[in-house]
Amino acid sequence: EAGVAQSPRYKIIEKRQSVAFWCNPISGHATLYWYQQILGQGPKLLIQFQNNGVVDDSQLPKDRFSAERLKGVDSTLKIQPAKLEDSAVYLCASTPGGPDTQYFGPGTRLTVL
Amino acid sequence: QKEVEQNSGPLSVPEGAIASLNCTYSDRGSQSFFWYRQYSGKSPELIMSIYSNGDKEDGRFTAQLNKASQYVSLLIRDSQPSDSATYLCAVKRYNAGNNRKLIWGLGTSLAVNP
Repeated sequence: EAGVAQSPRYKIIEKRQSVAFWCNPISGHATLYWYQQILGQGPKLLIQFQNNGVVDDSQLPKDRFSAERLKGVDSTLKIQPAKLEDSAVYLCASTPGGPDTQYFGPGTRLTVL
Repeated sequence: QKEVEQNSGPLSVPEGAIASLNCTYSDRGSQSFFWYRQYSGKSPELIMSIYSNGDKEDGRFTAQLNKASQYVSLLIRDSQPSDSATYLCAVKRYNAGNNRKLIWGLGTSLAVNP
């Protein structure tokens, strides 16, 4: 069974530029999560999708971050414009339903200069 | 007070010793608890889940839950250098609309010295 795929693995941009990340969850997994993990901290949930609907985006900085999950499969997360404090690893995870056993992708390490 | 608290460490133990990792949580209504392991530069992976008071054993790992005291711990017996990683405690919370999500601690860094 293929795992969660993410791309790119690394991205370096300058502040005020835009960036997009892509995630393809495990086949059949209805729930998809985007997390931000700053070095030395635990994952912070940005947005949770159930199929193609948003169920929790309470911690998503909506003035600069956006995400979509068209057709309930893969998802993109966009930052526009980026700030220095957005430097982090962006993790995508999926589960068949509830949040208990989350399967994580390899992450995208973003550096904002 | 953070919802899920862990000592950041680093916790250093010699090879073969027992490593004890602790986690406290603030929501007394929490029912489900998880330990994820994260190697440096890698993504978290689930190693233990526990739902009832008491101990749950899986190989060298034992999770302990005490709901009255609101803490959950992870014991690693016969620690190996390959156990060196950050251990993340996560607690399942129900939001408005009965949505469920995990609340994560900051993680405890464990170093097992040969």
